Amino acid sequence: AQKITQTQPGMFVQEKEAVTLDCTYDTSDQSYGLFWYKQPSSGEMIFLIYQGSYDEQNATEGRYSLNFQKARKSANLVISASQLGDSAMYFCAMREGPETSYDKVIFGPGTSLSVIP
Amino acid sequence: DAGVIQSPRHEVTEMGQEVTLRCKPISGHDYLFWYRQTMMRGLELLIYFNNNVPIDDSGMPEDRFSAKMPNASFSTLKIQPSEPRDSAVYFCASSPHLATNEKLFFGSGTQLSVL
Repeated sequence: AQKITQTQPGMFVQEKEAVTLDCTYDTSDQSYGLFWYKQPSSGEMIFLIYQGSYDEQNATEGRYSLNFQKARKSANLVISASQLGDSAMYFCAMREGPETSYDKVIFGPGTSLSVIP
Repeated sequence: DAGVIQSPRHEVTEMGQEVTLRCKPISGHDYLFWYRQTMMRGLELLIYFNNNVPIDDSGMPEDRFSAKMPNASFSTLKIQPSEPRDSAVYFCASSPHLATNEKLFFGSGTQLSVL
């Protein structure tokens, strides 16, 4: 069963606008970590932001923030003030807790974001 | 720190040939992961090591694939014989410890093309 769902294969956003990339996950663990990675056309995987399941506040890193809704099992990435350099693939990932197998990191299928000038 | 280092960056080979991909993790990281990325299947975990010991190789597609980690600073992923369907980007990643908040540090990947 797929544990990470990203329902938006492709997204477009106007430069300087905000955009939300969706991510839902499935786990029976109480303790887990959620990550977002960016993969530009050059291919490298760039870590963006982390949210722990017990964190009470939504994570923020510069223009990136994570809209974490634990009860709904969603961890959406919000990019504010989009820039042309934000055009890339974005992957949501989860590292489950000790009740499952917290030495693996599972990735979603990704969302392709295109920023339009 | 130099980060995770993978070589080669690109590999083009003919069907039936042996291919060896190499990875040097970040010093002090206990965990090393091999992923394969394709358009159809996304990022798939092939195998991972803890302190040089293979822990889970359930993602390895078939017996043609093998991976080793002879020491803490070096790992190889070997495909023998290679097939066109093995064409993909292969990533190596490392992680310091076993904790839910530990992110993966990725190498630049090896783009493999099997003709």
